[in-house]
Amino acid sequence: QVQLVESGGGLVKPGGSLRLSCAASGFSFSDYYMSWIRQAPGKGLEWISYISGKSIYTNYADSVKGRFTISRDNSKTSLYLQMNDLRVDDTAVYYCATAGASDFWGQGTLVIVSS
Amino acid sequence: DIVMTQSPDSLAVSLGERATINCKSTQSLLYNSNNYHLAWYQQKPGQPPKLLIYWASTRESGVPDRFSGSGSGTDFTLTISSLQAEDVAVYYCQQYYNSPHTFGQGTKLEIK
Repeated sequence: QVQLVESGGGLVKPGGSLRLSCAASGFSFSDYYMSWIRQAPGKGLEWISYISGKSIYTNYADSVKGRFTISRDNSKTSLYLQMNDLRVDDTAVYYCATAGASDFWGQGTLVIVSS
Repeated sequence: DIVMTQSPDSLAVSLGERATINCKSTQSLLYNSNNYHLAWYQQKPGQPPKLLIYWASTRESGVPDRFSGSGSGTDFTLTISSLQAEDVAVYYCQQYYNSPHTFGQGTKLEIK
């Protein structure tokens, strides 16, 4: 069955960096646009980025543009999010999901940015 | 950016009664002659969102038929025809017409 498993979250100081990973299985990963979506504690959902199947197209929310980079490795069926210059308000659960109307989601990985 | 606004922010409905959640976008989500790039999700505490409806009115496989989506242009509605206890959750609409693929702020549905 379809599985998306995020990893790489944790506690980081403001200005620091983290790289999130999402391991995909059970579907034809390279055929799908993929997204990262986050949810701050007790708050709503915020779409932050997507990438096309062959990595030709990427797009970012203004809140992360220039700081976050989405990438993928189809040979490893994995999605990544490199997060630099982290801020306190980047604290959230980060989900990977299929893009568009997201029918597949991971369970999320928690990123806490705090001094 | 397209702004998605849901109403109400919270809703309490009796078991077996109808629940209606509205979602308004700041521009039309019509992609071609009859497809709207609008999705509805259900999120329960501690879980990722679950896709209920896409193309504004197409029910995802396995979703009970008490859930339905409707609307056009900039105004959309999620209806639960007969509320069940397991439907208590937060519901979100999302547009995927333009990047960023913005979400509504969420509507918390409770039992009255």
